[in-house]
Amino acid sequence: GESVGLHLPTLSVQEGDNSIINCAYSNSASDYFIWYKQESGKGPQFIIDIRSNMDKRQGQRVTVLLNKTVKHLSLQIAATQPGDSAVYFCAENGGQNFVFGPGTRLSVLP
Amino acid sequence: DSGVTQTPKHLITATGQRVTLRCSPRSGDLSVYWYQQSLDQGLQFLIQYYNGEERAKGNILERFSAQQFPDLHSELNLSSLELGDSALYFCASSGYRGSDSPLHFGNGTRLTVT
Repeated sequence: GESVGLHLPTLSVQEGDNSIINCAYSNSASDYFIWYKQESGKGPQFIIDIRSNMDKRQGQRVTVLLNKTVKHLSLQIAATQPGDSAVYFCAENGGQNFVFGPGTRLSVLP
Repeated sequence: DSGVTQTPKHLITATGQRVTLRCSPRSGDLSVYWYQQSLDQGLQFLIQYYNGEERAKGNILERFSAQQFPDLHSELNLSSLELGDSALYFCASSGYRGSDSPLHFGNGTRLTVT
């Protein structure tokens, strides 16, 4: 498959460890945020979302944290597995449509 | 599987040519979005249609156009192609008009202009 963003920031974690991927968003008017996972050769896949009236939301092995004061979003992945290796994007709904962050490549080491 | 279907998966064409990319949204979704993804630009919003009407425009070149048909499928037309148009083109769909629910993406069309 095609590589996305060859010069993306990369996070390397050991299999079984927890991963934290960070995102700074730009529009203080944004009130809805999404994390996407993109594997090689595929489209972005929805992971979890959060609205601005919350500061934390949990899913299966994933947690999203929102800090509106500093316009920061993070995605925590518990017990990272090889299948979690991918590029992760945050998206904010500032303006009329979603604006995507540049992405972070997560590499899981055996 | 997101339920969004894009064809073709790959397209190789020459500069100056015209191509059409096709997208079928998830069943029941009325909104269709087109995004361009290149190595140095990330995911860039091009255009959105809702129930057949253009709703929002992003960084879409004048050489590009799109439409959404009564059966809700959408086509993105790219003309007078240039080398810099080589990219992945994604379609996404949503059940809502606004940007307050997730977009569901297809697996994209990889366009190579030679």
